[in-house]
Parts: sequence; C-alpha cells; structure tokens
Amino acid sequence: QVLLQESGPRLVKASQTLSLTCTVFRDSISGSVYYWSWIRQHPGKGLEWIGYIYYSGSTYYNPSLQSRVTISVDTSKNQFSLRLSSVTAADTAVYYCARARVIAARPDYFDNWGPGTLVTVSS
Amino acid sequence: QSALTQPPSASGSPGQSVTISCTGTSSDVGAHNFVSWYQLHPGKAPKLMIYEVDKRPSGVPDRFSGSKSDNTASLTVSRLQAEDEADYYCTSHAASNNFYVLFGGGTKLTVL
Repeated sequence: QVLLQESGPRLVKASQTLSLTCTVFRDSISGSVYYWSWIRQHPGKGLEWIGYIYYSGSTYYNPSLQSRVTISVDTSKNQFSLRLSSVTAADTAVYYCARARVIAARPDYFDNWGPGTLVTVSS
Repeated sequence: QSALTQPPSASGSPGQSVTISCTGTSSDVGAHNFVSWYQLHPGKAPKLMIYEVDKRPSGVPDRFSGSKSDNTASLTVSRLQAEDEADYYCTSHAASNNFYVLFGGGTKLTVL
C-alpha cells in the first residue's frame, strides 16, 4: 500500500512563500498510471483542488490559484512539491498530497492521500 | 466553474440507511461517470469510498454504494455504524477540462 507524507514549515509569514513536499513511499512517482496532486482544506471549510503534476513534469493548476502556484517533481527523491507565493491568512489550511489514478489518459479518482499538514499564515 | 452542491449535514441511527446527494450540472456530474466520494475523519488521511459513480475500492464495506441520475450523484450508507460518522465529499471533473477538479462542499454524517 502506497504511503504519502507531507512535510514542510507549519508557520509561514504573510507575503512569503509556502513550501511543502510530499514524499511517496512504496510506489514509484515515475509510473505512468498516476498523477500527483495537492488539495487543501480551509479550517471548517470544504476541500479545494490546487493542482496536478505528472512524472514528466506536466502541470495543471486550479485557475483561481494559478498565478501563485508552482508544483514540481523530483523523481530521484520520489517527491513532489508545492510552492504558493504571496500568501495571506486566507491560505491557512490543511494541505494534503494525493495520488490520482489515470483512466483514459486523464486523472480520475484520488486513491491515496497523505494525512495532511496544517499550515498557518501569520501576519 | 461552481463547486458541487451537497447538504451540509445528514444523520441516521445505527442500522438505518442514509443517502447523501451531490448536485452538479450537465457540464460536470451529468456529463460523464467520473464521480468519486471520500470519507474524512479528523486527523486522518481522507479515504476513497466510491469511484466512477458506483465502483467500490477493495476494503470498502459493501454498505457503501454510489449512483447517479442526471446531474445528481448519490452516496448511500446502509446499516449505519458508529464508525461511519465522518465528513463525506464528492468530486467530479469539468467536461470541458479533464484536469479541473470540482469538490462538493462536504456533508457531515452523524450517527445518532
């Protein structure tokens, strides 16, 4: 069973860049049957998709965050990362990494998730 | 693209059945079978419960089932158990963009 684990600073100052890494265990991030994704949940709110990355480096972002988001992959470390720039208090959330199964050449369902990490943006 | 619509809460007694709806449009939920459901317990990794409308991953009890009619997908939990108390979220994709994920607002399921 694959395991995903988020890591990174839990506290980020406003206007700075939030950086998180997801390490994938018991599976290769270089496989062609998965996309890798970041999803967040604001306190007391619903889930919000942030973006996908494929092992080749192809990325797809939520249009509402696209101007501030960069997702990258490091296949040598079996990790993918999230950078969110110019953060504000509205970016305080639990950030999850997840694996999305490829069906018919497109990402489908998220079959495995990390436990999530709460990132707080301070003023 | 608007989020999918779920009732904020649902409840039932142990042994009963509860159905949670997820309403989208003909441009997302109604356009294809890429609808999935997730269970969130506080402090734990979200868990896939249903994918492609009505398919159940290995390890998910058969008490969980999914369906869809027109622009509304549904998750039914039969024979409710205390451990089923959690938040449930549906997802789909915009038909015009396979890479754009839509989430429902989530439903808090309470086992009375």
